[in-house]
Amino acid sequence: AQSVTQPDIHITVSEGASLELRCNYSYGATPYLFWYVQSPGQGLQLLLKYFSGDTLVQGIKGFEAEFKRSQSSFNLRKPSVHWSDAAEYFCAVAPREYGNKLVFGAGTILRVKS
Amino acid sequence: EPEVTQTPSHQVTQMGQEVILRCVPISNHLYFYWYRQILGQKVEFLVSFYNNEISEKSEIFDDQFSVERPDGSNFTLKIRSTKLEDSAMYFCANSQGENTEAFFGQGTRLTVV
Repeated sequence: AQSVTQPDIHITVSEGASLELRCNYSYGATPYLFWYVQSPGQGLQLLLKYFSGDTLVQGIKGFEAEFKRSQSSFNLRKPSVHWSDAAEYFCAVAPREYGNKLVFGAGTILRVKS
Repeated sequence: EPEVTQTPSHQVTQMGQEVILRCVPISNHLYFYWYRQILGQKVEFLVSFYNNEISEKSEIFDDQFSVERPDGSNFTLKIRSTKLEDSAMYFCANSQGENTEAFFGQGTRLTVV
């Protein structure tokens, strides 16, 4: 069965510091891969997605993610975090034959300290 | 950015009562989805809906659940006889195509007492 693991429940970083959120997946074939962000009281917003091609994907708000097939990973990065990035981040996968049947990870709560 | 609107934002209901959660989709986005997140757990896929039919559903989506577009516009999730374990945040999502970006609403928090 498909599964997504986000090993870090909480992460705290200083404003201006770099960020990496980890995501590993278990799936028979290479799925579609996504990162979503959820701010309090808001819905899930798509940050970026990987379907095929270049394994380094650029997203909104200065985020990027790298797909590593050998490690079954899709880690999210940002070189310099802003206080407004504090939110919960979800990694998700979906089968290629049905790209919106998403399987989510448990989420990582990002706190930003000034 | 396109927006999916869900109402109500929070609903409290007695166990055994029926609830209907509503979603106003984005114009011309014809694929609809419901997800839920029980407190402290992962966001889980419930059902997808296209062309007035369910196209996929999970094991969670049993006979107590139903979806429809009653007026050809709004998209609803009905739970016929709520149980305590139905308490969760329910997210509606909407996409233009089967493999295009799904836009999520802000969620409805359902509390069954």
